[in-house]
Amino acid sequence: DIVMTQSPDSLAVSLGERATINCKSSQSVLYSSNNKNYLAWYRQKPGQPPELLIYWASTRESGVPDRFSGSGSGTDFTLTISSLQAEDVAVYYCQQYYDSWTFGQGTKVEIK
Amino acid sequence: EVQLLESGGGLVQPGGSLRLSCVTSGFIFSNYAMSWVRQGPGKGLEWVSAVGTNGDRTFYAASVKGRFTISRDNSKNTVFLQMSSLRAEDTAVYYCAKEKLIPSGIADFWGQGTLVAVSS
Repeated sequence: DIVMTQSPDSLAVSLGERATINCKSSQSVLYSSNNKNYLAWYRQKPGQPPELLIYWASTRESGVPDRFSGSGSGTDFTLTISSLQAEDVAVYYCQQYYDSWTFGQGTKVEIK
Repeated sequence: EVQLLESGGGLVQPGGSLRLSCVTSGFIFSNYAMSWVRQGPGKGLEWVSAVGTNGDRTFYAASVKGRFTISRDNSKNTVFLQMSSLRAEDTAVYYCAKEKLIPSGIADFWGQGTLVAVSS
């Protein structure tokens, strides 16, 4: 199984400031035949189901604000929130879909 | 508007069985793979099972293989999860999720979840 490890486990960021979350996979999730990284990011607000933010490591889902961006390739990935808003208080998960599905353990984002 | 509504959760004794249902609307159900994802109390997300568009392809996490069965009824826009030999560690909120068409393997819509509690 591919193991996904996120860092940090939690972070506190001031409103309007940048938040950065890292995700590392135990093996590459880059599929050579199409040069795509099988990596997604979700946001889960308190008491709600997850919502898809990004797939293919850097493609924003329709309707997702452009303050969210994803980067990385192979085994190392980053989710960046360029200007944290109050509604971004949540737990963020990365997920690989290269081989079955596995999620990272989650990163809790709070307001400083 | 895409909607997914899970039901069937509840309290069950270890070794018991439950059948979860997820009724969907707002999209052409038969065109999309569907999945179940669970979240234990205060824990992260764990993928449980997935089913292809016509039900002939099914996939399971190692933790539930042989105990859980996923199925779907395209005439009723519904996906099911039959759970048996339940264990305390199966206690979780179970979410039904619709997979994107391209790429498959990621969930673009989720239900609100149904709570399964396994306890004596």
